Amino acid sequence: DTGVSQNPRHKITKRGQNVTFRCDPISEHNRLYWYRQTLGQGPEFLTYFQNEAQLEKSRLLSDRFSAERPKGSFSTLEIQRTEQGDSAMYLCASRRDVYGYTFGSGTRLTVV
Amino acid sequence: KNEVEQSPQNLTAQEGEFITINCSYSVGISALHWLQQHPGGGIVSLFMLSSGKKKHGRLIATINIQEKHSSLHITASHPRDSAVYICAVPNRDDKIIFGKGTRLHILP
Repeated sequence: DTGVSQNPRHKITKRGQNVTFRCDPISEHNRLYWYRQTLGQGPEFLTYFQNEAQLEKSRLLSDRFSAERPKGSFSTLEIQRTEQGDSAMYLCASRRDVYGYTFGSGTRLTVV
Repeated sequence: KNEVEQSPQNLTAQEGEFITINCSYSVGISALHWLQQHPGGGIVSLFMLSSGKKKHGRLIATINIQEKHSSLHITASHPRDSAVYICAVPNRDDKIIFGKGTRLHILP
């Protein structure tokens, strides 16, 4: 197992385009989390899943954002009609029940 | 007051110096994480600890559960240690609360 994998590592997109990121957690981890980190700040919670169920969404997650985890394994985070303010590092983490978290290396999005 | 506070926010030191970065938290925890992020790079997990002390190479992490405090130490610091170091703590709502990070710059 290679840990939590995020793809792509970097994404540059034009304003108004849609982007999708993928997170592959550790296979036996049932919980999966998405965080966003803007420049100079610590990561902030966006949403999380237990298996395929999306249990909570932050108010930071506007209607342009959607996250899925269709089979309780990998997850995707889609941003529609990207804005420059969406430029950030998008971080995925997973864990199994009460055990510690494993972090992905993140996807850095730049909206130009 | 933030639930996870790190100090200092910025630290510049000479190569070879002993480095200490502190993290204080106000939430109840199961484990605390120390993460490293190089400029323009992804996040790397350094330690997860719930008690005592862990060591990996030149890095040492300690935690005092009663005082809700953790420290990350770097011995014989090197310019390649220059990065942002982030403390992260899961709270009772099962969300990870991240500190704002400590930006470390080691001068050759």
